[in-house]
Amino acid sequence: QKEVEQNSGPLSVPEGAIASLNCTYSDRGSQSFFWYRQYSGKSPELIMSIYSNGDKEDGRFTAQLNKASQYVSLLIRDSQPSDSATYLCAPNDYKLSFGAGTTVTVRA
Amino acid sequence: DGGITQSPKYLFRKEGQNVTLSCEQNLNHDAMYWYRQDPGQGLRLIYYSQIVNDFQKGDIAEGYSVSREKKESFPLTVTSAQKNPTAFYLCASSTRGGSLYEQYFGPGTRLTVT
Repeated sequence: QKEVEQNSGPLSVPEGAIASLNCTYSDRGSQSFFWYRQYSGKSPELIMSIYSNGDKEDGRFTAQLNKASQYVSLLIRDSQPSDSATYLCAPNDYKLSFGAGTTVTVRA
Repeated sequence: DGGITQSPKYLFRKEGQNVTLSCEQNLNHDAMYWYRQDPGQGLRLIYYSQIVNDFQKGDIAEGYSVSREKKESFPLTVTSAQKNPTAFYLCASSTRGGSLYEQYFGPGTRLTVT
């Protein structure tokens, strides 16, 4: 089982600010990761996949993977109220192990 | 429109009854999964199947059963042996093979047992 821990929330940020979410993992063999977003009462949706060390940007989202330190992060720039959700990280594996998630609230 | 469907969206049952949750996908994915989510909690894996006619227990399989007779379908039965069945149930699917296992989720079924 690949253990995944996420920074405890909830995380409250003002509109327009940067939200920073972190995820650490125990399996050094994990090579790539997924970030999912889950709105309250809804199912998770895949928003980012990162396969190699470094940064990957997609619109206002940037995922960062640091294999040496065994952490992966997600930055949300120019946070909007629509970004208010729970964010889950999972290492790429046929049997995904999700972290408990970090709940983000963007204050208007 | 490709996707994963789960039905029904809400399901109510009396204690002691078995209930079957439906999950269908038309994404041509080989692998399918069932998760359970309790309020304020993360996702926990119940069962998964990587190919037709084969499935494996996840972390919390007790009180649940599945079948995988068709590639498109992976129904989950919540039996009366499941002590705490009220939860949000999520089905997911992914391609198999290669090195990526991006899972895509259905809309979920909210089961309430009283």
